[in-house]
Amino acid sequence: KQEVTQIPAALSVPEGENLVLNCSFTDSAIYNLQWFRQDPGKGLTSLLLIQSSQREQTSGRLNASLDKSSGRSTLYIAASQPGDSATYLCAVAGGGNKLTFGTGTQLKVEL
Amino acid sequence: EAGVVQSPRYKIIEKKQPVAFWCNPISGHNTLYWYLQNLGQGPELLIRYENEEAVDDSQLPKDRFSAERLKGVDSTLKIQPAELGDSAVYLCASSPAGAVAREQFFGPGTRLTVL
Repeated sequence: KQEVTQIPAALSVPEGENLVLNCSFTDSAIYNLQWFRQDPGKGLTSLLLIQSSQREQTSGRLNASLDKSSGRSTLYIAASQPGDSATYLCAVAGGGNKLTFGTGTQLKVEL
Repeated sequence: EAGVVQSPRYKIIEKKQPVAFWCNPISGHNTLYWYLQNLGQGPELLIRYENEEAVDDSQLPKDRFSAERLKGVDSTLKIQPAELGDSAVYLCASSPAGAVAREQFFGPGTRLTVL
């Protein structure tokens, strides 16, 4: 059974800092990995999707990497802003496009 | 392009009452998913539809939960009777047809409180 772990569970940083969120998964037989953002009381917003054959994806200040063989992914956020404050969820897609989620990293970017 | 639409956004009911949630996926998306998200946890899949067919409902508690997707477009998830432990956020997602692994797009969710 696939298990996804995210570290740290919570993170507080000053504005402008670069930061890294970590995601690990136990079964490397995945089709893709998605990073989502969730604001309080809201649904999930897809940030980046990395196909299993890819190593990384970039969108603006966000960069996600994938090392499928070691079961790890990182989400790098450059020059963090208060508007980046949210919970970040990592999810891996297995058979049937079923997503298995981690429990998330709650990020707070302070002024 | 409109995103995934869910209603209601919030629902408060007493235990043993029935409740229903509605989802309209992104136009043209043939795959629809219902997820359950407990507080502080990641979402967990309840059921997946390919068009009008439920192809994965292994994690749907069938004694009290039911779902339908008539005509392969919008979908309804029902709980009858609701229990205190059903308090959670119910998320709907959709993805387009095509390759095996497709990006999923989520709606805002329905927050259910059972008293």
